[in-house]
Amino acid sequence: ETGVTQSPTHLIKTRGQQVTLRCSSQSGHNTVSWYQQALGQGPQFIFQYYREEENGRGNFPPRFSGLQFPNYSSELNVNALELDDSALYLCASSLGPTPYEQYFGPGTRLTVT
Amino acid sequence: QQQVKQSPQSLIVQKGGISIINCAYENTAFDYFPWYQQFPGKGPALLIAIRPDVSEKKEGRFTISFNKSAKQFSLHIMDSQPGDSATYFCAAWGNQGGKLIFGQGTELSVKP
Repeated sequence: ETGVTQSPTHLIKTRGQQVTLRCSSQSGHNTVSWYQQALGQGPQFIFQYYREEENGRGNFPPRFSGLQFPNYSSELNVNALELDDSALYLCASSLGPTPYEQYFGPGTRLTVT
Repeated sequence: QQQVKQSPQSLIVQKGGISIINCAYENTAFDYFPWYQQFPGKGPALLIAIRPDVSEKKEGRFTISFNKSAKQFSLHIMDSQPGDSATYFCAAWGNQGGKLIFGQGTELSVKP
């Protein structure tokens, strides 16, 4: 059984650019949730995908968008990057759209300059 | 009403001591309260969780105490070890489209 993996590990982008982050869910899990964790803060929920459909969204602007593929892996896309988007982006997978047994990946550290 | 407030922000405990981290919430619709442990460079890992129909849950050295009337819950780490040094997050969930609400985190340092 493989755990949750994310790529890339680190990323540096310039303000105004676009970025795509990737997440492979744990084997057997059909739900992926994305979180943004600013330095020294708790993770903040961005959105969740369940069986390829968005199943809830946090307080993030539309320039944050996502996708889930038939194999349940997922992408997070951020357009028009701002300096405040610099953070650790975490994905978590689970079996079903519940918080129970939600397993997090190691995250992607995004720096916007 | 969607917030989870966590304290203290940082905590230093001697090896063998008890570490206590507290959280408070407002939304009575929350019905699942997990605690996560995060080491530097890693994602959060589920440590222990409780539902509001139980006042206490213990797993090894980790205990959650839950006070539904006060809308507070806490994590106790007994016999704290240097390997427990990490950031701890409380969280709450209430069937709101997958939204897990996290506290601000507590950085625990256990001194040998």
